[in-house]
Amino acid sequence: GNSVTQMEGPVTLSEEAFLTINCTYTATGYPSLFWYVQYPGEGLQLLLKATKADDKGSNKGFEATYRKETTSFHLEKGSVQVSDSAVYFCALSRRNNNDMRFGAGTRLTVKP
Amino acid sequence: NAGVTQTPKFRVLKTGQSMTLLCAQDMNHEYMYWYRQDPGMGLRLIHYSVGEGTTAKGEVPDGYNVSRLKKQNFLLGLESAAPSQTSVYFCASSYSQGQPQHFGDGTRLSIL
Repeated sequence: GNSVTQMEGPVTLSEEAFLTINCTYTATGYPSLFWYVQYPGEGLQLLLKATKADDKGSNKGFEATYRKETTSFHLEKGSVQVSDSAVYFCALSRRNNNDMRFGAGTRLTVKP
Repeated sequence: NAGVTQTPKFRVLKTGQSMTLLCAQDMNHEYMYWYRQDPGMGLRLIHYSVGEGTTAKGEVPDGYNVSRLKKQNFLLGLESAAPSQTSVYFCASSYSQGQPQHFGDGTRLSIL
């Protein structure tokens, strides 16, 4: 079945450090891939997405590239800020399937 | 912009009690979803709806029922609450299959 595996957290970084959160997936067909972010006390918000192989999603300095050959969609940011502290979820969805699958989430804490 | 609104935000129940969680969206989305979020497990789909008057089971439907009498509303019911249903519940909606989902802020439910 379809599934998403994320690197386990928590991740603690200093401000301006480089961030990578690993995400790999298992799916039949050609899924769309997403990163969502959840701030304390809030619901998930879409951060970025990619719908086909080699697509790069980007938003707010975050980037992720859809790598079909390695079935990965790693999230990166060159210089994190304290305001980036949140839980990040990788997810996949197939076009003809209503079941979006989420990873377990990775908690990021950025210290000044 | 209201987006997706969930009520209530918090609730404490005793084992065996029943309750209904309400989700309302103002984006004219066809698809609506109920998830539960538990530590270390990401989000798991309980039930979903692909349009007014339709519902379908997700990954973890047991112990829950849903109804979609109006396009903008999606209700989640617990007929006889159990401690295992203590969780944070999120409602989401989307324009179509495979598209990004828009989330509410969640309902924190405790079953004693």
